[in-house]
Amino acid sequence: NAGVTQTPKFQVLKTGQSMTLQCAQDMNHEYMSWYRQDPGMGLRLIHYSVGAGITDQGEVPNGYNVSRSTTEDFPLRLLSAAPSQTSVYFCASSYSPTAYEQYFGPGTRLTVT
Amino acid sequence: GQSLEQPSEVTAVEGAIVQINCTYQTSGFYGLSWYQQHDGGAPTFLSYNALDGLEETGRFSSFLSRSDSYGYLLLQELQMKDSASYFCAVKRDDKIIFGKGTRLHILP
Repeated sequence: NAGVTQTPKFQVLKTGQSMTLQCAQDMNHEYMSWYRQDPGMGLRLIHYSVGAGITDQGEVPNGYNVSRSTTEDFPLRLLSAAPSQTSVYFCASSYSPTAYEQYFGPGTRLTVT
Repeated sequence: GQSLEQPSEVTAVEGAIVQINCTYQTSGFYGLSWYQQHDGGAPTFLSYNALDGLEETGRFSSFLSRSDSYGYLLLQELQMKDSASYFCAVKRDDKIIFGKGTRLHILP
């Protein structure tokens, strides 16, 4: 199993550009989530999904969209990038919404200039 | 709402024992988890407490007191490789919310 994979590893965007961060898992996990990590701020939940076709907002959803058309994939879309979205983005998954252990991907380091 | 408080930094000596505390405020509670993150890496799961008491996994133990809204992670026989950030997290409804993390420095 590859576990949770994320692409790209690094990305630089200009203000106003849009892009999609990819996340995939091969563990047949129902639950997937996106976090951003900024220095001194810990991990903040952006969006999450309890299964294919179901998504919901986390703590900091503004400026981001998600969809979950398959169990495996959970892409995160930045609609119009802003410098405040410069961060490290982590995707995570767990077996079910009631499971307590999340498996994290390696992260995407995004810089918006 | 929910918020978690943990110290920003803790320093300990190699071979010693260190405790990292976490207090939480949440209107609903389904358990307290702990994660470890090395610099440049991804968080990895360490332990989970749903009920009061101590859970032990090798050198690491985690404790929860729901009446005090308090938990801690205990690391014994510290090794240099334990230098990392440690996060507590609470599960409420379908959300897993993290604290801001505690940076553990280990002195030789």
